[in-house]
Amino acid sequence: DARVTQTPRDKVTEMGQEVTMRCQPILGHNTVFWYRQTMMQGLELLAYFRNRAPLDDSGMPKDRFSAEMPDATLATLKIQPSEPRDSAVYFCASASQGITEAFFGQGTRLTVV
Amino acid sequence: AQSVTQLGSHVSVSEGALVLLRCNYSSSVPPYLFWYVQYPNQGLQLLLKYTSAATLVKGINGFEAEFKKSETSFHLTKPSAHMSDAAEYFCAVILNTGFQKLVFGTGTRLLVSP
Repeated sequence: DARVTQTPRDKVTEMGQEVTMRCQPILGHNTVFWYRQTMMQGLELLAYFRNRAPLDDSGMPKDRFSAEMPDATLATLKIQPSEPRDSAVYFCASASQGITEAFFGQGTRLTVV
Repeated sequence: AQSVTQLGSHVSVSEGALVLLRCNYSSSVPPYLFWYVQYPNQGLQLLLKYTSAATLVKGINGFEAEFKKSETSFHLTKPSAHMSDAAEYFCAVILNTGFQKLVFGTGTRLLVSP
């Protein structure tokens, strides 16, 4: 059963600490999205990659957020330093060429205290 | 620019009643449109999608949506609500801004009462 896997599922950290979230896209998918979900803003697109290259990260705060794809099986989203306002659920999704369907992971619930 | 607008952040229905969740899109070209459902503490799951084939699209769990170009709408319906349909529903569109990207509406929470 092909699925997108995100780790960790839950993360509680103190303000100022570095946070790294990981995503394993479905094998063969060449497009990866990172979304942030909050009550106030809904689902925001932070960044997305095609063939491991970043296409658009305009939704991401550049000063503290970074997204990478070290290889085709791993995407990472890093926050350094973390702040309480970063508390949210972060979703990764992957899709094949043409994006006729995006498959979502279960999300990482981040709480920054 | 292309986007989607979902009317109503909350919709309440009784079990067995018609479900209607509204989505309007703005697009200068025929869009790809999607409805996703999110259950509590879960990721998003695709309900159905429109990719310029048939205008009436049937999805999982008895849901369907009709693409109406004249109204720029893609409303989601289900003839008879079940308690298990209570969830958040998101309309989404593929934006073609040089590169394709998937952008979501603000979501509609469906509440189903006995």
